[in-house]
Amino acid sequence: DIQMTQSPSTLSASVGDRVTITCRASQSISSWLAWYQQKPGKAPKLLIYKASTLDSGVPSRFSGSGSGTEFTLTISSLQPDDFATYYCQQYNSYSVTFGQGTKLEIK
Amino acid sequence: VQLVESGGGVVQPGRSLRLSCAASGLTFSSYGMHWVRQVPGKGLEWVAVIWYDGSNKYYADSVKGRFTISRDNSKNTLHLQMNSLRAEDTAVYYCGRDSGSMTTYVDYWGQGTLVTVSS
Repeated sequence: DIQMTQSPSTLSASVGDRVTITCRASQSISSWLAWYQQKPGKAPKLLIYKASTLDSGVPSRFSGSGSGTEFTLTISSLQPDDFATYYCQQYNSYSVTFGQGTKLEIK
Repeated sequence: VQLVESGGGVVQPGRSLRLSCAASGLTFSSYGMHWVRQVPGKGLEWVAVIWYDGSNKYYADSVKGRFTISRDNSKNTLHLQMNSLRAEDTAVYYCGRDSGSMTTYVDYWGQGTLVTVSS
């Protein structure tokens, strides 16, 4: 099975900061990677698919990059609504796996 | 698109439970469907996927042989039959629509249903 490892597990930042979350795959997954945002008590929300394509309605301050085994999610200027937990997910194989999550906290 | 899970509750270890997910606002038979679970306060764990026509099903190792995913395209409904339940199966279970007909990512999610396995 393909393992996904996110770093950091927790990130403290301030409104207006630029932040980057990293996701590493245990083997190459090409660009078959999605990113989700989840807030407490809510279902996850799709942000990005195919490593860098923003889902409809997702603000342009979010961006994704990478291919192969290393990927990043960047928020260019944090807004109050962005404080949440973020997950990556690979879909290179018939089964999928999530990263363990990165909690973005207010500093 | 609306996905509504049901069937959660409290169940004893070793017993069975069947979850359902009612779908509306989409051509259900065109999409793969997933179950994803989350232990309260923990991360997301993918559970299973079923392709658009039910022809292929894939499971996480943690549930293989105990859980069965199925769908009824005539009723726009997804199911998860959970047998031999364990305490570690306690979680919120989400159903989700795949972006395509097979296995990719989830673009729509239900609100989740809580399953508690406890004696």
